[in-house]
Amino acid sequence: AQKVTQAQTEISVVEKEDVTLDCVYETRDTTYYLFWYKQPPSGELVFLIRRNSFDEQNEISGRYSWNFQKSTSSFNFTITASQVVDSAVYFCALSEGNDYKLSFGAGTTVTVRA
Amino acid sequence: DTGVSQNPRHKITKRGQNVTFRCDPISEHNRLYWYRQTLGQGPEFLTYFQNEAQLEKSRLLSDRFSAERPKGSFSTLEIQRTEQGDSAMYLCASSLRGLGYNEQFFGPGTRLTVL
Repeated sequence: AQKVTQAQTEISVVEKEDVTLDCVYETRDTTYYLFWYKQPPSGELVFLIRRNSFDEQNEISGRYSWNFQKSTSSFNFTITASQVVDSAVYFCALSEGNDYKLSFGAGTTVTVRA
Repeated sequence: DTGVSQNPRHKITKRGQNVTFRCDPISEHNRLYWYRQTLGQGPEFLTYFQNEAQLEKSRLLSDRFSAERPKGSFSTLEIQRTEQGDSAMYLCASSLRGLGYNEQFFGPGTRLTVL
């Protein structure tokens, strides 16, 4: 069964628009970690943010913000005032309990047009 | 450059040949992971090491695949008798085991094409 679901396959926006990426996860563990990674056209996965299951406080880091809701098993990610350089594939990932491997979603391709 | 490095970046081979990839983790990182990513999909876990010990292997890792991490430094991933279905990007990541969870940092990957 898919542990991480990213329902949006592609999103296209015009520069300066906000972009929200959806992520729904599934786990039976009470301790887990959620991540967002970015994969630009160059191919290298870049770590963006991490959240643990005990901290539902939503935060803003620069132009990035996230909304973690355990009640709906969602971990959504928003890019504010998008820029062309934000064009990439974004992956949501889950790590459960003491198991450090990452389970990734299928990714959402974001295209920001000038 | 102190990030994770992988060699080669690209490999084209004929079906049935053996290939070997190398990953050099960030120097102080004691955990090393291998993932495989096919087109349009997220990376899938293959195996991971803590120091030189291989602690977990995915069911994706058939008998044709073998990974090593001698002396707990660099790691190699070998695929024997390659098949066209092995064509993918092979990603290596490393992390530092410590209190709590430590992020995995990924290398640029090795893209394998099996003809």
